[in-house]
Amino acid sequence: DAKTTQPNSMESNEEEPVHLPCNHSTISGTDYIHWYRQLPSQGPEYVIHGLTSNVNNRMASLAIAEDRKSSTLILHRATLRDAAVYYCILRDVRGSQGNLIFGKGTKLSVKP
Amino acid sequence: NAGVTQTPKFQVLKTGQSMTLQCAQDMNHEYMSWYRQDPGMGLRLIHYSVGAGITDQGEVPNGYNVSRSTTEDFPLRLLSAAPSQTSVYFCASSSRLGPYSNQPQHFGDGTRLSIL
Repeated sequence: DAKTTQPNSMESNEEEPVHLPCNHSTISGTDYIHWYRQLPSQGPEYVIHGLTSNVNNRMASLAIAEDRKSSTLILHRATLRDAAVYYCILRDVRGSQGNLIFGKGTKLSVKP
Repeated sequence: NAGVTQTPKFQVLKTGQSMTLQCAQDMNHEYMSWYRQDPGMGLRLIHYSVGAGITDQGEVPNGYNVSRSTTEDFPLRLLSAAPSQTSVYFCASSSRLGPYSNQPQHFGDGTRLSIL
């Protein structure tokens, strides 16, 4: 499975945008880019996913580089509730199981 | 909406004891899985199931057994608990997976297990 690289931690101020980077230089053509987040003392929560085009939903936006070797999760206005560990995961849709392979993720701190 | 329910939320065991972690989902999801999370680490897959009667091993299956007799339930059994199995255990489910499927996984809130 292709690997992802994320910074260990990032800080943001409340109500400011946050850009969380992810590098995946060995991504294959059938890998989708998924993002999950894990709030303290909770299970992971699906955030967003995409293949080639930028994606938006109610939680966040996903910007994917043209060569697909990197992507950025964008939180448009960080709130204190967005403090969590964010995981960038590649998922090969040819696989019948679709198991998730988690790295260590990026721990986002949000300051009031 | 209940989603994925895990019981118990906390448990302390002595080395050598056995126990079953329960996981139930009410979304009629075919796929269910168990992960463990150790401090400062991401989640690692223990076992998974793509439907009733079908289970398979993940990355770290040793010391754990599973069965899937119904769509709703996917219990995880520790036959003889060891201190190395002290961890937080998460159960997840998603709708049918197959080629080109991208269904998100839904996670429970975890069971915090300590083995003394």
